[in-house]
Amino acid sequence: GQQLNQSPQSMFIQEGEDVSMNCTSSSIFNTWLWYKQDPGEGPVLLIALYKAGELTSNGRLTAQFGITRKDSFLNISASIPSDVGIYFCAGQSGATNKLIFGTGTLLAVQP
Amino acid sequence: KAGVTQTPRYLIKTRGQQVTLSCSPISGHRSVSWYQQTPGQGLQFLFEYFSETQRNKGNFPGRFSGRQFSNSRSEMNVSTLELGDSALYLCASSPTGSHNYEQYFGPGTRLTVT
Repeated sequence: GQQLNQSPQSMFIQEGEDVSMNCTSSSIFNTWLWYKQDPGEGPVLLIALYKAGELTSNGRLTAQFGITRKDSFLNISASIPSDVGIYFCAGQSGATNKLIFGTGTLLAVQP
Repeated sequence: KAGVTQTPRYLIKTRGQQVTLSCSPISGHRSVSWYQQTPGQGLQFLFEYFSETQRNKGNFPGRFSGRQFSNSRSEMNVSTLELGDSALYLCASSPTGSHNYEQYFGPGTRLTVT
């Protein structure tokens, strides 16, 4: 099945550090979404982006919709232990609710 | 508002059996999508239902089917189960309106096929 390229695959950082991850696609998307998934649970929506170049924040999280519409970035500032989890990007295009997900970034935060 | 609920949370079935999973969307959401999550393939779109009609379908065999009821609740069915169908099955609902591409996921149903 189709998946978007997401990097890095995993990150092991110290509490308080900033984190950056990105997602790239060969296709153009109209909407980019970022999710966080904890073990055994469903993904939780963090940020939704609707316009090329858009920069949106949600607390310590900031995400950007790439100008080419083929990529998106997520930054987490001053990481804390509860940021641990798997982060997924997802792209949407056309008049459909079908999401194409990224391969995921595993984030581990050392207290 | 209550979130998306899925039942059951865990299920163990034998090869060849069939299974039905249930999803109740967030109140007021009319679109329900289903995804399969496996370690190898990640999150893959199965299908989407809106107003009791299948609006979109992913690349899965015909053994995977679904339906939506008038109250927007949805079920998905997998017939003739195979070992490879073991996965976390996630349901997501979407609001109507300008942000109707945001999808809110339930906790999932963990299906194990033995």
